[in-house]
Amino acid sequence: DAGVTQSPTHLIKTRGQQVTLRCSPISGHKSVSWYQQVLGQGPQFIFQYYEKEERGRGNFPDRFSARQFPNYSSELNVNALLLGDSALYLCASSLDSGGLTQYFGPGTRLTVL
Amino acid sequence: AQSVTQLDSQVPVFEEAPVELRCNYSSSVSVYLFWYVQYPNQGLQLLLKYLSGSTLVKGINGFEAEFNKSQTSFHLRKPSVHISDTAEYFCAVSAPSEGGGNKLTFGTGTQLKVEL
Repeated sequence: DAGVTQSPTHLIKTRGQQVTLRCSPISGHKSVSWYQQVLGQGPQFIFQYYEKEERGRGNFPDRFSARQFPNYSSELNVNALLLGDSALYLCASSLDSGGLTQYFGPGTRLTVL
Repeated sequence: AQSVTQLDSQVPVFEEAPVELRCNYSSSVSVYLFWYVQYPNQGLQLLLKYLSGSTLVKGINGFEAEFNKSQTSFHLRKPSVHISDTAEYFCAVSAPSEGGGNKLTFGTGTQLKVEL
């Protein structure tokens, strides 16, 4: 069975631009979470979605938004990119609404110049 | 609020030697604990988890961890490491989020370097 998939693998943007990252959960999983991992640090929670509804939001500015589609895939959008948004963006899926055990994808490496 | 402290940023060890990676947590609610491994330029792979029951948890690749409530610890151990175990290891605690889900709070990671 396929694991969590994310696209693109790598992305280079300039300051002020907007970016959309995509995630497909493990088949049968209905919850998707997004994390930001800055180099040398542990991942930081951004959002969690279940059945297209937001179930949690981390301490990130409103430039960050996300949504979940009827097929449970998800997009993370970041507007007005800053240099500090350069990071590995990880998507995780879980089976149920609680999203307790999360399985991670390979991530999207975003570089902002 | 929940927090995780990984006391060692780097742990060097010789191949076939035992290793322990330390993790302490702080949580005001029920505790669910996880260890993940991250190989270079990859995502996180779940090694093991503690949700309830036996305090000794066995995971993949020969790793195990022991939940100690009195010491608020969840240390990861392996009796004999291999070169392929070289990676970054993250301890995480799960906490309820406002909308009814659960979010993971991670430590800063421990780089395990296995040498010949």
